[in-house]
Amino acid sequence: QKEVEQNSGPLSVPEGAIASLNCTYSDRGSQSFFWYRQYSGKSPELIMFIYSNGDKEDGRFTAQLNKASQYVSLLIRDSQPSDSATYLCAVKSGGYQKVTFGTGTKLQVIP
Amino acid sequence: DGGITQSPKYLFRKEGQNVTLSCEQNLNHDAMYWYRQDPGQGLRLIYYSQIVNDFQKGDIAEGYSVSREKKESFPLTVTSAQKNPTAFYLCASSIGLAVPEQYFGPGTRLTVT
Repeated sequence: QKEVEQNSGPLSVPEGAIASLNCTYSDRGSQSFFWYRQYSGKSPELIMFIYSNGDKEDGRFTAQLNKASQYVSLLIRDSQPSDSATYLCAVKSGGYQKVTFGTGTKLQVIP
Repeated sequence: DGGITQSPKYLFRKEGQNVTLSCEQNLNHDAMYWYRQDPGQGLRLIYYSQIVNDFQKGDIAEGYSVSREKKESFPLTVTSAQKNPTAFYLCASSIGLAVPEQYFGPGTRLTVT
């Protein structure tokens, strides 16, 4: 079982719609959760992090964490073509120094 | 401007040669990391360092070496022992291991033929 799982996509949404990206993780002791955006050929850019159960909003982005179900999601409201990228989920396990990355979900926003 | 720089952006080497990738940060971060990214495999941790003169192996350290002589610098050497060195190499830093939000440099794309 992969430690951090994401659907590779592509996830296609029309411009202006809400894009919903999901990530599940295997270690119940995980404490810190991150979403990175990676444009093709570029390095990952940190866009959200969340540590507590519930929702965290930043502009058009909302991160949702449910530790009981071991999933974290990223919602992008009013999706724009410039949001088209691969979104990486990353998880830091409690008591362990490593951050584990998922393989990413490719998002395509159709104009 | 604070940030992380990696050089060069593209690097070509012949098989059997060692090559050193540069990573410099001016964020005053204590922790630095090296990752490798291959298509469809996500990021894999090669080495990390939480303080000057100290570093730890990650998941795929074989065939790689690092040094941390200065807080700002964490160079990675890809040795001839690394069997599949062609990849996108990413350097990252964070305030410390206890503050795990990592920020990435622009990456170095290494091609070995």
